[in-house]
Amino acid sequence: EAGVAQSPRYKIIEKRQSVAFWCNPISGHATLYWYQQILGQGPKLLIQFQNNGVVDDSQLPKDRFSAERLKGVDSTLKIQPAKLEDSAVYLCASSLAGTYTDTQYFGPGTRLTVL
Amino acid sequence: QKEVEQNSGPLSVPEGAIASLNCTYSDRGSQSFFWYRQYSGKSPELIMFIYSNGDKEDGRFTAQLNKASQYVSLLIRDSQPSDSATYLCAVKNTGGFKTIFGAGTRLFVKA
Repeated sequence: EAGVAQSPRYKIIEKRQSVAFWCNPISGHATLYWYQQILGQGPKLLIQFQNNGVVDDSQLPKDRFSAERLKGVDSTLKIQPAKLEDSAVYLCASSLAGTYTDTQYFGPGTRLTVL
Repeated sequence: QKEVEQNSGPLSVPEGAIASLNCTYSDRGSQSFFWYRQYSGKSPELIMFIYSNGDKEDGRFTAQLNKASQYVSLLIRDSQPSDSATYLCAVKNTGGFKTIFGAGTRLFVKA
């Protein structure tokens, strides 16, 4: 079974530039999550999709971050414009159904550096 | 008060010893609890989950849950140097929709 795929693996941009990350979940997984993990901290949930609908985006900075999941499969996360404090690893995860016993499987992450 | 709290460590134990990792949470209605292991530069991987009070064992790992005390722990028996990593406690809220992670505890197993 193929795992969660993410690209790019690394990205370096200057502040005020825009950047986009892509995620392809495990086949058949209805729930997709985007997390931000700042060095030394635990992952913070940015947005959670159930199929192509948003379940939770309460911690997504909507003035600069956006995410979409077209056709309930792949997802993209965009930052525009980037700030220095956005430097982090962006993790995508997926799970079968998003229930309380559901296991999340993480992709390798995208390490973003904002200069 | 943080929603999920863990001692940041590092916790250092000798090879072969039992490592005990602790986590407390603030939402009394939380339903399920997960332990993830994260090696440096890698993404988190699930060790085990628990949602009923008591103990749950899986190989060298035992998760313990006490909902009355809002406390969950992970015991690692016969610790190995390969267990050296950051251990993340994650809690799913009442609705099952949102997973909240602690900051993690760094474990170092000395050979």
